[in-house]
Amino acid sequence: DIQMTQSPSSLSASVGDRVTITCRASQGVGNDLGWYQETPGKAPKRLIYAATTLQHGVPSRFSGSGSGTEFTLTITSLQAEDFATYYCLQHHSYPLTFGQGTKVEIK
Amino acid sequence: QVQLVQSGAEVKKPGASLRVSCKALGYTFTSYDIHWVRQAPGQGLEWMGCMNPNSGNSTYAEKFQGRVIMSRDTSTKSAYMELNSLRSDDTAVYFCARGFSRYRLPGEDLLYWGQGALVIVSS
Repeated sequence: DIQMTQSPSSLSASVGDRVTITCRASQGVGNDLGWYQETPGKAPKRLIYAATTLQHGVPSRFSGSGSGTEFTLTITSLQAEDFATYYCLQHHSYPLTFGQGTKVEIK
Repeated sequence: QVQLVQSGAEVKKPGASLRVSCKALGYTFTSYDIHWVRQAPGQGLEWMGCMNPNSGNSTYAEKFQGRVIMSRDTSTKSAYMELNSLRSDDTAVYFCARGFSRYRLPGEDLLYWGQGALVIVSS
């Protein structure tokens, strides 16, 4: 199984801050990686697919980078509605595996 | 538009079985895989497996092998996830999500999700 190690597990930030979340895969997954935002009571919302492609309708302050084993989600100028939990997901091979999640909290 | 509509919340006793449904709207049901993902309270997202609604073939996470069955009814465009021998740690929100088509185009996988079904396992 491919293990996805996500860091940090939580962070505190202020509106307007730049936030970076990292996922490392235990083996190469090419660009078969997505980033999801989870808010309580809602289904996960995909922000990024194919590691770097912004999902239609998602604000441009979200961006993804990386390939192979190292991936990054960056939020430039954090907004109030961005306080949530973020997950990476590899779909390169079964079983699909999620990172452990990063909770972004208000400082 | 594409929607996945899931069955409602349930309370189950330990040892019982659970069946969650997921009705596909707005697309050809048999053209895309269906995945099942769960989230226990305060925990992360966990992939359970996926099913090809055209063939009925399924792939399960090892953790659930022998305890889960994913099936479908093409006449009602519905997918089902059955989990047996329930334990308290099966308490979770269960989601279905649409996967790839046979063309495996970038961006298809796990874009559309059902609203989730809360399942509480308690005596």
